[in-house]
Amino acid sequence: DSGVTQTPKHLITATGQRVTLRCSPRSGDLSVYWYQQSLDQGLQFLIQYYNGEERAKGNILERFSAQQFPDLHSELNLSSLELGDSALYFCASSPQPGQGGTEAFFGQGTRLTVV
Amino acid sequence: GEDVEQSLFLSVREGDSSVINCTYTDSSSTYLYWYKQEPGAGLQLLTYIFSNMDMKQDQRLTVLLNKKDKHLSLRIADTQTGDSAIYFCAEIPLSGGYNKLIFGAGTRLAVHP
Repeated sequence: DSGVTQTPKHLITATGQRVTLRCSPRSGDLSVYWYQQSLDQGLQFLIQYYNGEERAKGNILERFSAQQFPDLHSELNLSSLELGDSALYFCASSPQPGQGGTEAFFGQGTRLTVV
Repeated sequence: GEDVEQSLFLSVREGDSSVINCTYTDSSSTYLYWYKQEPGAGLQLLTYIFSNMDMKQDQRLTVLLNKKDKHLSLRIADTQTGDSAIYFCAEIPLSGGYNKLIFGAGTRLAVHP
């Protein structure tokens, strides 16, 4: 158990809908990272928050947004969903602003299926 | 640029050694990682190596780093059926502010009796 908790584990929704994925970081970790794993793109970094503020942005679509709350949990919001958004979404956390070293631990992921 | 490449498949016999190879492009990466993903499961950090090291051994796992050739390998000794999974190599480059992992496509390891 990495200590990073993601909910829900599975989500099935229709095209055009909006969903929210939730991540609770390991106790004491201030950074949260979101990654998307899809069949065609592999594992891609989406976005990072550190202590409530956006710190780094990757290949995140404009239809997607995220935030980190004062209790340090994070939510990834996906809107106007398309079939191609079907993927496994991972959250990771670390105590520092960067992810280097031993702190690169991931949650179990949320599998999103858009039908 | 940021790119990590791995071969897609490896098949080995139970009890043999497995060697999974990876090449990366960003020489600024300070840490290089190996992750394991079992079917339907998340990403499990297996091991990592700091860029000033050539080798790291952890029980059945040996990581070799050739920084000159930007080549990383993971050797699994006495491979078991429970080792069947997808193995991802990842780097964390300076160009990303050390804030993001760049993953390879993953190598699917199949272990047969």
